[in-house]
Parts: sequence; structure tokens; C-alpha cells
Amino acid sequence: EVQLVESGGGLVQPGGSLTLSCAVSGVPFSGYWMNWVRQAPGKGLEWVANIIGDGSEKHYVDSVKGRFTISRDNGKNSLYLQMNSLRAEDTAVYYCLGAGPVGWGQGTLVTVSS
Amino acid sequence: QAVVTQEPSLTVSPGGTVTLTCGSSTGAVTSGHYPYWFQQKPGQAPRTLIYDTSNRHSWTPARFSGSLLGGKAALTLSGAQPEDEADYYCLFSYGGTVIFGGGTRLTVL
Repeated sequence: EVQLVESGGGLVQPGGSLTLSCAVSGVPFSGYWMNWVRQAPGKGLEWVANIIGDGSEKHYVDSVKGRFTISRDNGKNSLYLQMNSLRAEDTAVYYCLGAGPVGWGQGTLVTVSS
Repeated sequence: QAVVTQEPSLTVSPGGTVTLTCGSSTGAVTSGHYPYWFQQKPGQAPRTLIYDTSNRHSWTPARFSGSLLGGKAALTLSGAQPEDEADYYCLFSYGGTVIFGGGTRLTVL
């Protein structure tokens, strides 16, 4: 059974930092593109970033470029999102999403507020 | 940046058939956009229904099918069930970057 489990969300002040993790099991992790997707309260889905299976290629939505960094550790079957200089508009549930048949995690809530 | 467009809302009768579409501002949608379709019910995480245009996920009921139709990606639901009432999102890849559609709220009534 494929499982994706996010962790690391929480309350952080504007300008602060947070690192999200996504542990993946049940699939050959290194073979799949992985994405971070967020959903602000009451809003639709927004793609944030993705990374190719071997980690050599990454892409970001313009609003997080220079602030967020996506990475992966294939030895640990884990995906990460380092988030710096957080803003109120980054408040959302953050999901990891695997390409193809991998699917979604349950999400972790990030709240940026003073 | 491209814009991905979905119908904001659709209604289907129980047992009926409905087609949701997803268009791209850059032109015709092709298999090279690797279209995905996701279902999200209130209070739940999204789940993948269709990937790479027409491949069903292991849990996707056979009544859902994906295709390319008239220059758009399409999700057809044949034989709608009450439990299919949900928000549906599409996704396209543009050479690595990814854009979601705004979502379609499907009502089964």
C-alpha cells in the first residue's frame, strides 16, 4: 500500500522558517517526480514546487522562488520543503503529491501569523 | 504564465453522464501536458483519479474516464453516484512547471 505522510507544519511568525517533510512508502520512491501543493483556506489547489526522481531538476511557482527549497533523500524515501521568509499568504495546508500512481499525503497545516 | 480553465460548477442527475473539461490558454491540450484529474471532498485531502490523460489510479472507479476532447482534457463520469459529489481539479505540466485548474464543483442532484 502506498503511503505519504507529511509532517512539520505549525504556527510561525512572518519572516520565519519551517521545514516540511513527506515520508513515502510502498513505491520505488526514486523513480517518481514529487511535488508540493498547497491549499489556502477555502481556496483551490496551488502547485508550489517539484523535483525529479534523482533530484537534478527542480521547478518552483514564481511566488516562492528564492524563499522555498525543495529537496529529497532517496535513501530515506523522503521529500522536503524548506520554507524561509514566510508570509501571511503562505498560510495553507501543504500536501505532497507523487507523480502517476503515487498519489497524495494527508496534508500538514502551515499558519503564518504574529 | 498559462491559465488552466475549468467549468466552475456542473450538475448531473444520479445515474447520468457528465463531462468535465480543462483547457489551456496556450492552445490545444496534448498528451505532452500529462493531464491529471483529482477529486476532493469537503474536509479531505485530494486524491488522484486520472494521470497522464487516461490512466486510472488503483482506486478509481471504472465509471470515471479521462481523454482529450476538442483540444481540451476531459473527465467523463458515466453513471453518477451520490458519492461522486465533490470538487474536481485538473493539472497540466508545462515543461516541468505545473498549473492547476480552478476546480469544478460537481453536484449530483
